[in-house]
Amino acid sequence: KNQVEQSPQSLIILEGKNCTLQCNYTVSPFSNLRWYKQDTGRGPVSLTIMTFSENTKSNGRYTATLDADTKQSSLHITASQLSDSASYICVVSARGFKTIFGAGTRLFVKA
Amino acid sequence: EPEVTQTPSHQVTQMGQEVILRCVPISNHLYFYWYRQILGQKVEFLVSFYNNEISEKSEIFDDQFSVERPDGSNFTLKIRSTKLEDSAMYFCASSARLAGGTDTQYFGPGTRLTVL
Repeated sequence: KNQVEQSPQSLIILEGKNCTLQCNYTVSPFSNLRWYKQDTGRGPVSLTIMTFSENTKSNGRYTATLDADTKQSSLHITASQLSDSASYICVVSARGFKTIFGAGTRLFVKA
Repeated sequence: EPEVTQTPSHQVTQMGQEVILRCVPISNHLYFYWYRQILGQKVEFLVSFYNNEISEKSEIFDDQFSVERPDGSNFTLKIRSTKLEDSAMYFCASSARLAGGTDTQYFGPGTRLTVL
């Protein structure tokens, strides 16, 4: 069964600190993995996209990693800011159109 | 920067009524999608649309739902005979190429549907 599991479910960190969010998946045949940021009540915004052959991708303070062998990905946020408070969603696409969303990690950045 | 727009931002309807949610994808995009997110739950794929036909649909997308691209710019989701459990945020998205490829999907701001 195609699944995407994210951990932790929620996370509270202090402004300026780093954090890492985890994503495990069983989607097959794998095509790509995306991380999105979703502010409350808004549509998801793409942060990174990685294919099978890529194992790291950066977008400013966001760095995603992918281990296609273990079917794991992580999103590392450096020097967190208050505006980073949001849900971070891991999305895995199989070849074709099937796209599976994780439940997200809710990040709270406190001053 | 081009963006996906959706109207209305909030729709309230009575159970059993029909609703049409509207989306204007990014103009040069060819692939269109509808997703829904029930409050507090994860985003769920509903349907993808390409070349004026449905490419794939999830088990959620039953006969109650239909999609249409009535002209060159709009992409609509129609929900017939709405049920209480249809209450959710509905997101439209578009991409230049297939979601299974590496092209970015751009999401609209969503339409919050409330069924009373």
